[in-house]
This record gives sequence, structure tokens and C-alpha cells, in this order.
Amino acid sequence: DAGVIQSPRHEVTEMGQEVTLRCKPISGHNSLFWYRQTMMRGLELLIYFNNNVPIDDSGMPEDRFSAKMPNASFSTLKIQPSEPRDSAVYFCASSSGLVNEQFFGPGTRLTVL
Amino acid sequence: SQQGEEDPQALSIQEGENATMNCSYKTSINNLQWYRQNSGRGLVHLILIRSNEREKHSGRLRVTLDTSKKSSSLLITASRAADTASYFCATGTNNAGNMLTFGGGTRLMVKP
Repeated sequence: DAGVIQSPRHEVTEMGQEVTLRCKPISGHNSLFWYRQTMMRGLELLIYFNNNVPIDDSGMPEDRFSAKMPNASFSTLKIQPSEPRDSAVYFCASSSGLVNEQFFGPGTRLTVL
Repeated sequence: SQQGEEDPQALSIQEGENATMNCSYKTSINNLQWYRQNSGRGLVHLILIRSNEREKHSGRLRVTLDTSKKSSSLLITASRAADTASYFCATGTNNAGNMLTFGGGTRLMVKP
């Protein structure tokens, strides 16, 4: 298995632009998580899906952030419009079962100028 | 505030020494997990301990869990330079489905 796949690995954009991050979870996993990691705030859970349904989005910072999971093998995290304070590493993780370990992707390093 | 908080925030030791990292949490849990993160990489799962377990071993790793004190420790024995990384504890609860709450991490440096 290729593990959790994220794209792009790096993204540099200008303030105000739309950013779309993509994630392909491990096949057969039914839970998908989006995290953001910064030096100041550490690792924050933004949203998680179970069986493609958003379960908890309380970590999504504001309306500029949205996430979708149209099917079991694909999810997107969109920021529109982006701001410099959105600069961070965004991780996607997936898991299966009730008591489970999470498998993390390599992350997308986002820089908003 | 975070459910899991690691202590110390940073630890520097010599190769061959043991490294101990601690994690405290606030609410009842059904499992606690430890993860490792190398610089610039995603987190990697190390070990999971359930709430009814007190100790677990995996290779050079030893994890303890004290639910009465709401704390856990991760011991890495005979450390190697390659163990240099950040280590995070994460807690899972009955009410949170598959969600985990991560602590702030301990940055471990093992000097050769």
C-alpha cells in the first residue's frame, strides 16, 4: 500500500488566492482527518470524516476553510481566500476500526505571501 | 487547552542513555497512543495502550499508563542518534469516535 497520499507537497501562493489541498486515504480506511501544524499552535485537528460524512468540524478556523469527501478515496481541504496566517503544514490522516492508529500523509507545506 | 500535554518540551541526551517522556491528560480515555515525527515528515504511530492496560513494550519502547493519575510515560532505552525526533501522545475517548487529541510534543535530541 502506498500509504496516505497528499498533494501538492508544497504550495506557495499569494494572499487572496484559493488553495486546494488533496488527500487520498489508505484503501479500506473509513475515517479521514485533516490537521494543521504550526510552531505556535502545534498540531490542530481541523475536521474529520467517518464513512465520507463530516463528523466534527469544530476545529475549522473560519468560513474561509471548507472540506469535502465526495467518496471513500478522496478528500479536499479548500481555503478561499487564503491569508498569510494560514501558512502551515497541513496533514491528512486515515484510520479504520474503533480503537485505531492513524496513518499520516507526508503533509502539504503551505506558504501564503 | 490540549487534552494531552507532554513533559518535558525538549530533552537532550547522549546516545546509549534512556529517554523518558511524560504525558498528562484531563478527561477519561479509552486508549492512549504515542507517535513520532521526524523533521518535515508526518507522524508515525509507535504504540497504543488501552485504558485497562498498565504497561506495554515494543522493542526498545516501554509505555506505562496510570489512569488514576491521568498520566502516561514513554521510555526509550539505549537511545540512538536516529531516535532524534518529536514525540507526541494522543488520547482517544469513548465519546469522540475515532478522533484523537494530540499533545504539544517532546523534542528529543540524541547526541552521538
